[in-house]
Amino acid sequence: EVQLVESGGGLVQPGGSLRLSCAASGFTFSSYWMHWVRQAPGKGLVWVSRINRDGSGTTYADSVKGRFTISRDNAKKTLYLQMNSLRAEDTAVYYCTRDASYTMDVWGQGTTVTVSS
Amino acid sequence: QTVVTQEPSFSVSPGGTVTLTCGLSSGSVSTNYYPSWYQQTPGQAPRTLIYSTNTRSSGVPDRFSGSILGNKAALIITGAQADDESDYYCVLYMGSGIWVFGGGTKLTVL
Repeated sequence: EVQLVESGGGLVQPGGSLRLSCAASGFTFSSYWMHWVRQAPGKGLVWVSRINRDGSGTTYADSVKGRFTISRDNAKKTLYLQMNSLRAEDTAVYYCTRDASYTMDVWGQGTTVTVSS
Repeated sequence: QTVVTQEPSFSVSPGGTVTLTCGLSSGSVSTNYYPSWYQQTPGQAPRTLIYSTNTRSSGVPDRFSGSILGNKAALIITGAQADDESDYYCVLYMGSGIWVFGGGTKLTVL
């Protein structure tokens, strides 16, 4: 079964850092681009970041550029999102997703990040 | 900055047909934007319905279809059922490794 399982969410103070992880199984992880997408409480989906197959190419939404870093470990079949200088507006459920033909086809269940003092 | 537009809400009768659209604040949507559609119910992760304009994801009923209508991408639901009542999101690939979601459409079946 193709599966993505996120972890690492939690409560963090403004200005703090957090690293999210996404464990992949049931498919050849190294063959796919991967994304992070977030959803603030009661709001819509927002694309955050994408990484290519070997991790050499990354892109970010303007709202997180310079603060967030996407990375991957293909040997561990794991995607990461390092989040620094967190703000209240980063509070959201964070989903990792698999890319297929310039879209997101498989989604994890999400992990919740709350930025609050 | 280009905004991806969707109807905030829509209503359809059971058994009816509804067309949800996904446009751009400036310009036309084409297949080059690889429009995709997702269904989400409260508290759940999104479910992929349609990708690359009109390719149905595995397990998605054929009453869901996608196309380009005029200058927008469209999600057509025929024979709407009660459990189609959900939020629907589109996403467009803007090029240069950037994707943008629309604001979502809340579909009511009544």
